[in-house]
Amino acid sequence: NAGVMQNPRHLVRRRGQEARLRCSPMKGHSHVYWYRQLPEEGLKFMVYLQKENIIDESGMPKERFSAEFPKEGPSILRIQQVVRGDSAAYFCASSSQTEDTEAFFGQGTRLTVV
Amino acid sequence: KNQVEQSPQSLIILEGKNCTLQCNYTVSPFSNLRWYKQDTGRGPVSLTIMTFSENTKSNGRYTATLDADTKQSSLHITASQLSDSASYICVVSHISGGYNKLIFGAGTRLAVHP
Repeated sequence: NAGVMQNPRHLVRRRGQEARLRCSPMKGHSHVYWYRQLPEEGLKFMVYLQKENIIDESGMPKERFSAEFPKEGPSILRIQQVVRGDSAAYFCASSSQTEDTEAFFGQGTRLTVV
Repeated sequence: KNQVEQSPQSLIILEGKNCTLQCNYTVSPFSNLRWYKQDTGRGPVSLTIMTFSENTKSNGRYTATLDADTKQSSLHITASQLSDSASYICVVSHISGGYNKLIFGAGTRLAVHP
């Protein structure tokens, strides 16, 4: 049973381009969480999704950021028109239920905007 | 406001020594408290999960304590090893909108020197 898979591990984008970050949850997990970690800082919640539903997007910036978790395929975090301040590590976690169950993290995608 | 505060921010110890990391939280309602270890450049990995009724839980050389009355937790590392060098993150699970939301502390950066 493979763990949470994120790709790419490293992504370089020029200002104004789009960044697409992918997260494949562990087999059997239908809950996905996205977090952002700025250098030297802790993880900040962005969005919580279940299959085909956004449950909580209170941590998502109002503009340029969107997330989806389709019925088939990985969860996608999409950042349009990237700016230098978007440079960070983006982590995805998955779990099978909502309460008292382990959330497993992927290795993250390190986005660098040049 | 739901917050998780960790101390110290960073810590340097010699190999073989013990250390204790602190976590104070103001999260309510509380579901469970987790300690994660995050190696540089990697995703967090769970060390322990403690519910309201648990006071102590061990995982090898790691022992976590929880005082739900004072809303404090500690992570004690015994006989430290060089591989313990990492960030240790306290995460409090909080029921919000019918689901478990994870509130992250900023972490304690531990460096174990030979």
